[in-house]
Amino acid sequence: EPEVTQTPSHQVTQMGQEVILRCVPISNHLYFYWYRQILGQKVEFLVSFYNNEISEKSEIFDDQFSVERPDGSNFTLKIRSTKLEDSAMYFCASSSLGALYEQYFGPGTRLTVT
Amino acid sequence: GESVGLHLPTLSVQEGDNSIINCAYSNSASDYFIWYKQESGKGPQFIIDIRSNMDKRQGQRVTVLLNKTVKHLSLQIAATQPGDSAVYFCAEGRNAGNMLTFGGGTRLMVKP
Repeated sequence: EPEVTQTPSHQVTQMGQEVILRCVPISNHLYFYWYRQILGQKVEFLVSFYNNEISEKSEIFDDQFSVERPDGSNFTLKIRSTKLEDSAMYFCASSSLGALYEQYFGPGTRLTVT
Repeated sequence: GESVGLHLPTLSVQEGDNSIINCAYSNSASDYFIWYKQESGKGPQFIIDIRSNMDKRQGQRVTVLLNKTVKHLSLQIAATQPGDSAVYFCAEGRNAGNMLTFGGGTRLMVKP
């Protein structure tokens, strides 16, 4: 069964450093997403991406964040200058054009900012 | 993928019993409602969705009920199994966009 994969599983970084979280969505999906979950809190939407551009973003997704699809398989989330409050699980998800709400999630990357 | 919080409501059921997990949503403009299951160390897993113009939808061993009058969504799991132990989230979405807004989650524990 096809699945979304994410690397790394755990990333530790110092405050102010840049991090790039990587995702490989399901191959025939065209919509890609990033969500995050701070420990003990709800899963929160960050951004959706379609046709090489952002289609929707939340208030969390400020200028420190960016997304990119650098090639035909990867989808990345970059945080330019990490803050302590960016520590969270980051989930990538993807969905097909005909079933937008059937979003399939990856296992997540745990980001720890020290 | 840790979804566990110190204050997650917990439902404990005996193996073989039926489970009902409830969710109150806030946005009356939502067009879709989805249930996700999250096991320890994994990302949310899609279970079933329901459109706002429906009040019931059945899947394999699961049924979702939607009551728009009181903004309430429920997930019924028939013959609950140990493998159903997880945290369950409801989420809502709108046709105008494709972001999902998640609820706080309920932990289901199945006793053998």
